[in-house]
Amino acid sequence: EDKVVQSPLSLVVHEGDTVTLNCSYEVTNFRSLLWYKQEKKAPTFLFMLTSSGIEKKSGRLSSILDKKELFSILNITATQTGDSAVYLCAVGKGETSGSRLTFGEGTQLTVNP
Amino acid sequence: DSGVTQTPKHLITATGQRVTLRCSPRSGDLSVYWYQQSLDQGLQFLIQYYNGEERAKGNILERFSAQQFPDLHSELNLSSLELGDSALYFCASSGSNRPYEQYFGPGTRLTVT
Repeated sequence: EDKVVQSPLSLVVHEGDTVTLNCSYEVTNFRSLLWYKQEKKAPTFLFMLTSSGIEKKSGRLSSILDKKELFSILNITATQTGDSAVYLCAVGKGETSGSRLTFGEGTQLTVNP
Repeated sequence: DSGVTQTPKHLITATGQRVTLRCSPRSGDLSVYWYQQSLDQGLQFLIQYYNGEERAKGNILERFSAQQFPDLHSELNLSSLELGDSALYFCASSGSNRPYEQYFGPGTRLTVT
């Protein structure tokens, strides 16, 4: 059975702190790993990683994938209160048909002023 | 705004009833996905359509069905509703060249009383 496990499940930090969110996975026929940010409603796409060791960056957010060790991390530097959200990790697997995503439980990040 | 639209935003109905949720994908996207998010289960894949045809199925109940129309909008039909069907239902869409990069609509919150 496919598994996507995120840790920690929740995290409380102060503005300006740096945080690291973790995602490990066990899926057959891995194709891609994605990070989403979910505030009040819909998940918002952040990154998609398909190749090992490649870092993706967008402003204060960055992510790296280790396909050998089957995990990814999402780093947020200089956190702001607006970063408070649930961060979801999802994995796409190759199938004879379809491109479904399997999601982890998410990490609830709270950034206090 | 992801470009994916869903209606209605909220739906309150009684057990045993039938409802239809509607989704319009981003312009140019051929794939539409339906996901269910409940408190105890996280985001779960239900079904995928690609250009009008069913492409992949998750743990979708037999009481649930979906279709994608020639104009690419999709509908999710939920029948014989039970209390446990109360959840957020998201539609997502993706393009053919990056199928795993899925963009989510704002969701429909279904409450079954």
